[in-house]
Amino acid sequence: KQEVTQIPAALSVPEGENLVLNCSFTDSAIYNLQWFRQDPGKGLTSLLLIQSSQREQTSGRLNASLDKSSGRSTLYIAASQPGDSATYLCAVEGYSTLTFGKGTMLLVSP
Amino acid sequence: DAGVIQSPRHEVTEMGQEVTLRCKPISGHDYLFWYRQTMMRGLELLIYFNNNVPIDDSGMPEDRFSAKMPNASFSTLKIQPSEPRDSAVYFCASSLELWAEAFFGQGTRLTVV
Repeated sequence: KQEVTQIPAALSVPEGENLVLNCSFTDSAIYNLQWFRQDPGKGLTSLLLIQSSQREQTSGRLNASLDKSSGRSTLYIAASQPGDSATYLCAVEGYSTLTFGKGTMLLVSP
Repeated sequence: DAGVIQSPRHEVTEMGQEVTLRCKPISGHDYLFWYRQTMMRGLELLIYFNNNVPIDDSGMPEDRFSAKMPNASFSTLKIQPSEPRDSAVYFCASSLELWAEAFFGQGTRLTVV
């Protein structure tokens, strides 16, 4: 059974810092990996999707990498802003569709 | 498209009552998913449909839970009878293909007292 772990569970940084969120998964037989953002009381917004054949994806200040063989992904956020404060969820898609981690709660202070 | 639409946004009900959650997927999306989110267990897949047909319901916790998709634009998740431990946020999501980007609704926060 696929298990997804996200470290750290919570992170607090001052505005302007570059930061890295980590995601690891136990079964490397995946089709893709997605990073989502969830604001309090809201739904999930897809940030980046990396196909299993890809190594990374970039969108604006966000860069996600995937190392399928080692079961790891990172989400890099450059020049963090208070508006980046949210919970970031990693999800891997395998035979049983999406399996989610429990998320990293990020707080960026002005 | 307005995205995935769920209703109601909030539901408070008494233990033993029937609860029905509703979802309208994005038009043209062939896959629809129901998830449950709790603090303890995070996001868990309950069931998913392909072209209105249930494909995998192994995540449905008990027989008290049932889901239907009578047409391509509407799905329901029903809990009968509801229990306090069913309190959670229930999300509906849809995608074009099974391994394509998933789009989530805003969720329904269910509280069973």
